[in-house]
Amino acid sequence: GAVVSQHPSWVICKSGTSVKIECRSLDFQATTMFWYRQFPKQSLMLMATSNEGSKATYEQGVEKDKFLINHASLTLSTLTVTSAHPEDSSFYICSARDRAAGGSIRTGELFFGEGSRLTVL
Amino acid sequence: AQRVTQPEKLLSVFKGAPVELKCNYSYSGSPELFWYVQYSRQRLQLLLRHISRESIKGFTADLNKGETSFHLKKPFAQEEDSAMYYCALISGNTGKLIFGQGTTLQVKP
Repeated sequence: GAVVSQHPSWVICKSGTSVKIECRSLDFQATTMFWYRQFPKQSLMLMATSNEGSKATYEQGVEKDKFLINHASLTLSTLTVTSAHPEDSSFYICSARDRAAGGSIRTGELFFGEGSRLTVL
Repeated sequence: AQRVTQPEKLLSVFKGAPVELKCNYSYSGSPELFWYVQYSRQRLQLLLRHISRESIKGFTADLNKGETSFHLKKPFAQEEDSAMYYCALISGNTGKLIFGQGTTLQVKP
């Protein structure tokens, strides 16, 4: 099946620094990727929809200046947490749909990355 | 508003017992619903989707529009079924998934 890879798997940073997380679709092209945030033993909260070649669409309540998303190619989206604070510590997960394999955009399977654990000290 | 609700945070059953993980949704229009599973230390993966009416690993789920439910069922639970289960709904034109809160299924020997 299609593979989505995230890097780094975990990162620890100091408060006030910025951290970039990469999400790659390894064997398919993804015009759209999604970024989620997951707190321990809780649900995945959709943060934003990353659109290749255009601006990301953010969910209500998500600060676009805080969480910068760039989708520069059909296989790569990046999430940058700017001026990170301890409350930004979380598990960040990306996902992508292989439209070519999965049928319509509404029914094609979403493939998930392994997640990136961010700890801000 | 589009919403997925999984009322149970934890469901604990003995091996061989029937399992039903509840999911209710709120959606205007024709919903497209999925169940995703996350085993310990693994990534989230698709378990089944309502449009294909398939059975995966013995699990089935029927969409009940009258009750706005999409409960996940398995007649005989196995220990390897222990995992976190998420019900999800596709929303909008981009196909983004809205997840329920998740239910941890614990199958005891």
